[in-house]
Amino acid sequence: DSGVTQTPKHLITATGQRVTLRCSPRSGDLSVYWYQQSLDQGLQFLIQYYNGEERAKGNILERFSAQQFPDLHSELNLSSLELGDSALYFCASSVAPGDAYEQYFGPGTRLTVT
Amino acid sequence: GQQVMQIPQYQHVQEGEDFTTYCNSSTTLSNIQWYKQRPGGHPVFLIQLVKSGEVKKQKRLTFQFGEAKKNSSLHITATQTTDVGTYFCADTSGNTPLVFGKGTRLSVIA
Repeated sequence: DSGVTQTPKHLITATGQRVTLRCSPRSGDLSVYWYQQSLDQGLQFLIQYYNGEERAKGNILERFSAQQFPDLHSELNLSSLELGDSALYFCASSVAPGDAYEQYFGPGTRLTVT
Repeated sequence: GQQVMQIPQYQHVQEGEDFTTYCNSSTTLSNIQWYKQRPGGHPVFLIQLVKSGEVKKQKRLTFQFGEAKKNSSLHITATQTTDVGTYFCADTSGNTPLVFGKGTRLSVIA
């Protein structure tokens, strides 16, 4: 158990819908990262937050947005969903934002868009 | 953007055989991190390499960083069924926190 929690574990929804994925980092970790994992694309970095502020952005679509709240939990919002958005979404946390720090991954949310 | 290429994509070995996965980059890497993801699980941090030519060992696992910091390898001696999973390298250079390779999926046949 990494100490990172994600809800829900599974989500099935229809195209065009909007969903929110939630992540609570490990106690004491200030930085949160979101990743998308699909079969053919591997692990793709989406976005990073540090202490409530956006820190870095990766290949995140405009239909996707995220935020980190004062209690440090984070939410990833996916809207106008398409079939291709079906994937595993991981949240990870680290104590600080620098590249010297290992990341602890949550169990992931499996999103299926039908 | 920067890319890290991992080979092989898949590897099937008999239990007891050795296994090696390679991570290559066309640009100089800052640090390399290695993660393992068991089937149905999430990535778990294994190690970080920082220095040119660095070699680190964890029991049967040996991690190496190339002299030019453009490649890295993970070698497992005498594989066991518990080694099954996908091994990812991740580059920490550049503006994106981690750029992952596509991973090497290891199957171990008992």
